[in-house]
Amino acid sequence: NAGVMQNPRHLVRRRGQEARLRCSPMKGHSHVYWYRQLPEEGLKFMVYLQKENIIDESGMPKERFSAEFPKEGPSILRIQQVVRGDSAAYFCASSLFGQETQYFGPGTRLLVL
Amino acid sequence: KNEVEQSPQNLTAQEGEFITINCSYSVGISALHWLQQHPGGGIVSLFMLSSGKKKHGRLIATINIQEKHSSLHITASHPRDSAVYICATREAQKLVFGQGTRLTINP
Repeated sequence: NAGVMQNPRHLVRRRGQEARLRCSPMKGHSHVYWYRQLPEEGLKFMVYLQKENIIDESGMPKERFSAEFPKEGPSILRIQQVVRGDSAAYFCASSLFGQETQYFGPGTRLLVL
Repeated sequence: KNEVEQSPQNLTAQEGEFITINCSYSVGISALHWLQQHPGGGIVSLFMLSSGKKKHGRLIATINIQEKHSSLHITASHPRDSAVYICATREAQKLVFGQGTRLTINP
């Protein structure tokens, strides 16, 4: 059973461009979480999604950031008009319905030039 | 708002030593997680516990719900245990993380 997959693993963008980060949960998992780790800081919750629904987006910046988890395909975290402060490692995790253990992907390291 | 504090922030020890990392939190929780982040950045879930004690190999995790405190112990530490260890509490469906403890085990 493949683990949580994220791509790309590394992403370089110039200021003002868009960044799209993808997360494929473990097989059978219907819950996806996105976390951000800024340089030299701890992990912070961003958003929790189930298929076709955003359940909790209390950690998402109000502007430029959006997330989706469509019925088919991976979850996408989209950052529009990136700024240098968006440079971070973005991790997604997935879990089974009703199960609390979250399984983490390898992360996407975003660098904004 | 739940605050999660870990201590120490950095820990260096010799191979074979017994290691303890502490985690305190401020509000009642349903579960506490211990995670390991490797030097390459990947995150592995070590334990999820809501009471008592769990053991996996050389790792032991304990939690005291009344005192809002958890500990992660490593017996017979080895250089390959060098990593950042993170505790996290669960608030509804999201995790609130401590700042991590950077552990270095020297041969």
